[in-house]
Amino acid sequence: AQSVTQPDIHITVSEGASLELRCNYSYGATPYLFWYVQSPGQGLQLLLKYFSGDTLVQGIKGFEAEFKRSQSSFNLRKPSVHWSDAAEYFCAVGVFTGTASKLTFGTGTRLQVTL
Amino acid sequence: NAGVTQTPKFQVLKTGQSMTLQCAQDMNHEYMSWYRQDPGMGLRLIHYSVGAGITDQGEVPNGYNVSRSTTEDFPLRLLSAAPSQTSVYFCASSFGQHTGELFFGEGSRLTVL
Repeated sequence: AQSVTQPDIHITVSEGASLELRCNYSYGATPYLFWYVQSPGQGLQLLLKYFSGDTLVQGIKGFEAEFKRSQSSFNLRKPSVHWSDAAEYFCAVGVFTGTASKLTFGTGTRLQVTL
Repeated sequence: NAGVTQTPKFQVLKTGQSMTLQCAQDMNHEYMSWYRQDPGMGLRLIHYSVGAGITDQGEVPNGYNVSRSTTEDFPLRLLSAAPSQTSVYFCASSFGQHTGELFFGEGSRLTVL
């Protein structure tokens, strides 16, 4: 079965600093990979996704992620963090079962941004 | 644009009571699903549906029932609530069952005493 590990439960960065959130997955074949963001009291919103092709994926709000098959990783990055980026971030792996794609989510990384 | 609408936003139940969490989407999405979110555990899939009349179990289906009589609606029923079902529940939909691009509702926070 597929799984996702987000090793960092909580990260604090200063506004303007760069950000990297780690995600490692476990799956036998090429997975579909996603990053979602959840603002307080809200549902999740898709930041970006990787299905195939270019391993560097651009998303909304200035985020990007790089798929590294050799490391089973899909880390999320942003060059300069804004205070509004404070939220919880979830990595997910999607598996096609024949009838539907099922997403398995990581446990999330909470990002705090200091001014 | 309404998107995915969940009701109620908050609910308190006593052990053994039943209730239904409502979910409606106005995007004509085929795929709908229910997740529960618990601290330190991320989101776990309860049930999903790939179209009207078709439902299937996810990772944690016990204690929950679903049905899909229309494309728009996907209610989640708790038949006999237990404290272990205290959680935040999210409904999500997508245009196709293979895209993985889910649109989430704002969540329903359920407390079972």
